Amino acid sequence: NAGVMQNPRHLVRRRGQEARLRCSPMKGHSHVYWYRQLPEEGLKFMVYLQKENIIDESGMPKERFSAEFPKEGPSILRIQQVVRGDSAAYFCASSPAIGNTIYFGEGSWLTVV
Amino acid sequence: DAKTTQPNSMESNEEEPVHLPCNHSTISGTDYIHWYRQLPSQGPEYVIHGLTSNVNNRMASLAIAEDRKSSTLILHRATLRDAAVYYCILRDRSGSARQLTFGSGTQLTVLP
Repeated sequence: NAGVMQNPRHLVRRRGQEARLRCSPMKGHSHVYWYRQLPEEGLKFMVYLQKENIIDESGMPKERFSAEFPKEGPSILRIQQVVRGDSAAYFCASSPAIGNTIYFGEGSWLTVV
Repeated sequence: DAKTTQPNSMESNEEEPVHLPCNHSTISGTDYIHWYRQLPSQGPEYVIHGLTSNVNNRMASLAIAEDRKSSTLILHRATLRDAAVYYCILRDRSGSARQLTFGSGTQLTVLP
């Protein structure tokens, strides 16, 4: 059973470009979470989604960031007009149901130049 | 989620047991105790969780105090690969706490 798959693992974007990070949850998991880890800082919750629904986006920056988890295909975290402060590791996690154990992917490292 | 307190760092010698403490004096009766670890440049890895009784799995053991105000993650024989940041997290078993809230964790250094 494959784990949580994230791609790309590393992404370089110039200021002002868009970044799209993809996450395929573990098989049978319909709950997806996104976390961000800034350099030398802790993991911060961003958003929690179920298929086609955003359940909790209390950790998402108000502008430029969006997330989706369509009926078919991976979850996408989209960052528009990236700035240097967006440089971070972005981790996706999944669980089969609310309250169940959450498993993380290997992360996507975004560098904004 | 209730707050947990962990030492910032600990050291251990390779092939010796490691006891990583966690204090959670404000734990509620419905909080599970979860442990995750994060190796350098990797995502958090689930280690173990428990509610009241001690728990064992292939990775570690979790010893929970009788009053549940503290717990200890036990690595029975540390290897260099166990060097990581270890996070102790409380999570309401009702599922109302949907996501995990990470603190600063304990940086474990394993000496050869």
